[in-house]
Amino acid sequence: QKEVEQDPGPLSVPEGAIVSLNCTYSNSAFQYFMWYRQYSRKGPELLMYTYSSGNKEDGRFTAQVDKSSKYISLFIRDSQPSDSATYLCAMRGGGGSYIPTFGRGTSLIVHP
Amino acid sequence: GAVVSQHPSRVICKSGTSVKIECRSLDFQATTMFWYRQFPKQSLMLMATSNEGSKATYEQGVEKDKFLINHASLTLSTLTVTSAHPEDSSFYICSAIVPTGQNIQYFGAGTRLSVL
Repeated sequence: QKEVEQDPGPLSVPEGAIVSLNCTYSNSAFQYFMWYRQYSRKGPELLMYTYSSGNKEDGRFTAQVDKSSKYISLFIRDSQPSDSATYLCAMRGGGGSYIPTFGRGTSLIVHP
Repeated sequence: GAVVSQHPSRVICKSGTSVKIECRSLDFQATTMFWYRQFPKQSLMLMATSNEGSKATYEQGVEKDKFLINHASLTLSTLTVTSAHPEDSSFYICSAIVPTGQNIQYFGAGTRLSVL
């Protein structure tokens, strides 16, 4: 079992839909949870990060962390074709740890 | 957000030549940078951790003589792929940690290397 599991998709949705992207993990020491967006042939762009459990909202994006279930989610409201990209979750422990473990990414396609 | 600049974005070279990729932190000082490799439809694979003023730390299985890393200043790390071969063709991405306490990594735009 991989430390971080993420369905590669592709996930295809119509414009305006609410998108739910998820990752599960096995390491209970993870405390920081990040979501990156990666367009084709580009480097990952940090969308949001969350420390420990709870929700965090930024515009159309909401990140949720449920440490008891070892499950994290990224919700995208009113999805746009420009949201079409690969979304990578990443997570790591606290303290001096700074190398995250990445999921393999979920490919999202938002069609007009 | 923090800006990490990576250059070049694309390079095509002949087999046997060496290629240098630069990674710069533009608005902050980065004592630690990272180099990743990414294969199509795969996640990021950490190659090495680049430490300013000291030797890089390579991940298991990464040839340090093949992938030379130099981090001579607080804003620049370079990756040199020496004697490149077609199997070295890949997408290479650098990242840097912004020193704000949360140790979050910010990535460059990546370099697509094609070795003929």
